[in-house]
Amino acid sequence: ETGVTQTPRHLVMGMTNKKSLKCEQHLGHNAMYWYKQSAKKPLELMFVYNFKEQTENNSVPSRFSPECPNSSHLFLHLHTLQPEDSALYLCASSQEGGAGAPQHFGDGTRLSIL
Amino acid sequence: DAKTTQPPSMDCAEGRAANLPCNHSTISGNEYVYWYRQIHSQGPQYIIHGLKNNETNEMASLIITEDRKSSTLILPHATLRDTAVYYCIVRVGPGSGNTGKLIFGQGTTLQVKP
Repeated sequence: ETGVTQTPRHLVMGMTNKKSLKCEQHLGHNAMYWYKQSAKKPLELMFVYNFKEQTENNSVPSRFSPECPNSSHLFLHLHTLQPEDSALYLCASSQEGGAGAPQHFGDGTRLSIL
Repeated sequence: DAKTTQPPSMDCAEGRAANLPCNHSTISGNEYVYWYRQIHSQGPQYIIHGLKNNETNEMASLIITEDRKSSTLILPHATLRDTAVYYCIVRVGPGSGNTGKLIFGQGTTLQVKP
């Protein structure tokens, strides 16, 4: 139990569907992140939120739309995805502002695009 | 953030110490060394981090050379459950105007054998 919960764990969707991934952290952290991990590739940072404000968008296509309504919740809204978007999507949180804040990860959502 | 170099794979006998090396020759004075691991089908798990002093916690020890250009993660008594991909990452600490992002490489796949 890492304190970061992601739902659903698995998601299969068609290219024309709209779905959302949810992340909730129970650690009282003030920063949250979305990462993408494709097969045989390192994790890639997608978005960073600090105190609910987006501070980084790592050139992510607009078919991925993040939302951070409060410091404990983070969503990733998906629409019109492509087969190459099939991957493990990981959420993480950290307490920024202190020295050497580690990130804590959820177990991810395994996304398959048909 | 500075880049790191790790061997792609290592084997270790169960019960023996696993020593995982990492080179970070371009590390800056304000960059921390972090270690994470990822067990199959799970999110990355934070292990330990340090700035310049050696660190130890319940999971592992981190030995950083005096010039800070390399480090070693030590798992003192490896078990089969320690089989995972281990990532060495350097990044600046918070408060330095950075977004707290982690840049993952390919890591070292550690196989613990009976």
